[in-house]
Amino acid sequence: EAGVAQSPRYKIIEKRQSVAFWCNPISGHATLYWYQQILGQGPKLLIQFQNNGVVDDSQLPKDRFSAERLKGVDSTLKIQPAKLEDSAVYLCASSLRWEGALTEAFFGQGTRLTVV
Amino acid sequence: AQTVTQSQPEMSVQEAETVTLSCTYDTSESDYYLFWYKQPPSRQMILVIRQEAYKQQNATENRFSVNFQKAAKSFSLKISDSQLGDAAMYFCAYRSPDYNNNDMRFGAGTRLTVKP
Repeated sequence: EAGVAQSPRYKIIEKRQSVAFWCNPISGHATLYWYQQILGQGPKLLIQFQNNGVVDDSQLPKDRFSAERLKGVDSTLKIQPAKLEDSAVYLCASSLRWEGALTEAFFGQGTRLTVV
Repeated sequence: AQTVTQSQPEMSVQEAETVTLSCTYDTSESDYYLFWYKQPPSRQMILVIRQEAYKQQNATENRFSVNFQKAAKSFSLKISDSQLGDAAMYFCAYRSPDYNNNDMRFGAGTRLTVKP
């Protein structure tokens, strides 16, 4: 079974530039998450999709961050304009639709973003 | 809101010895799920073990086991016969059964070093 795919693996940009990250979840996984992991901290949820609808985006800085999941499969996360404090690893994860069963989230390898 | 606390930023263990990583959490829910994830330098989060709160029996997966104390809201991970490949960041995570609030909530992590 193929895992969660993310690209690019690394990105360096200057502040005020824009950047986009791509994620392809495991086939059949309806739930998709984007997490931000700042160095030395645990991952923090940015946005959660159920199919192509947003379930939770309460911690997404909407003035500069946006995300979409067209057709309920692939997803992109965009930052425009980037700030120095956006330097972090951006992790994508997916899981089966929760139906009362114990389900785990499967993670991609993440994109390390450095804003200079 | 549910919070997860890992009070040990770093731990070290001698190869073949046993080490225990601590995790506490705060919640008002009676049913939930708890996880331990491992994050090696490759950044890929890998599930180590999981526990359903309504199960009194502690979960075990080969050399990994947990001590789940529901009343104390404690969920520690024991690694027996430590191996060099166990060196990584370990994150404790909480997941609510609430459909609209079921993202993984992570602690800050514990960096485990295994000495040969």
